[in-house]
Amino acid sequence: DAGVIQSPRHEVTEMGQEVTLRCKPISGHNSLFWYRQTMMRGLELLIYFNNNVPIDDSGMPEDRFSAKMPNASFSTLKIQPSEPRDSAVYFCASSSRIQETQYFGPGTRLLVL
Amino acid sequence: LAKTTQPISMDSYEGQEVNITCSHNNIATNDYITWYQQFPSQGPRFIIQGYKTKVTNEVASLFIPADRKSSTLSLPRVSLSDTAVYYCLVSSTGTASKLTFGTGTRLQVTL
Repeated sequence: DAGVIQSPRHEVTEMGQEVTLRCKPISGHNSLFWYRQTMMRGLELLIYFNNNVPIDDSGMPEDRFSAKMPNASFSTLKIQPSEPRDSAVYFCASSSRIQETQYFGPGTRLLVL
Repeated sequence: LAKTTQPISMDSYEGQEVNITCSHNNIATNDYITWYQQFPSQGPRFIIQGYKTKVTNEVASLFIPADRKSSTLSLPRVSLSDTAVYYCLVSSTGTASKLTFGTGTRLQVTL
């Protein structure tokens, strides 16, 4: 298996633009997680899905952030409009079940100017 | 909500055993304890997971006392390549669960 795949790996955009991050979980995994990592706040869980259903989105910073999982093999995290404070590394992870080992993707490094 | 607390940083010399302790006073009955390792510019990587007592694999050991309010990750004979950030994660079962990563412990290994 190729592991968790994230795209793009790097994204530079201007404030106010829409940003869409993509994730393909490991085949057969039922749980998918989106994290954000910054120097100041460390690794934060934004939202997670189980069987394509959002279970807990209390970590989503505000209404500018939204996440979807239309099927078992694809998820998106969208920021609209983006702001400089959204600059961070965004990780996607998947696991066979919620409490099982999470496998992380390589991350998307986002820079909002 | 099982919040975790770890030391912010630790230093060690190569070849020594390193023990990193994580506190999780409010751990629930169904919670597992998992440790991850993260190198710069990479995503966290699973090291070990346990529920109680002791778990050992080819990389590390995990010690969990009977009250499960803390856990200790033990890395035997560390090398320079073990320099990384180590996270303690407490995860629950069920759809109403809330996942919590610790603050992470930055381990620096030197010669």
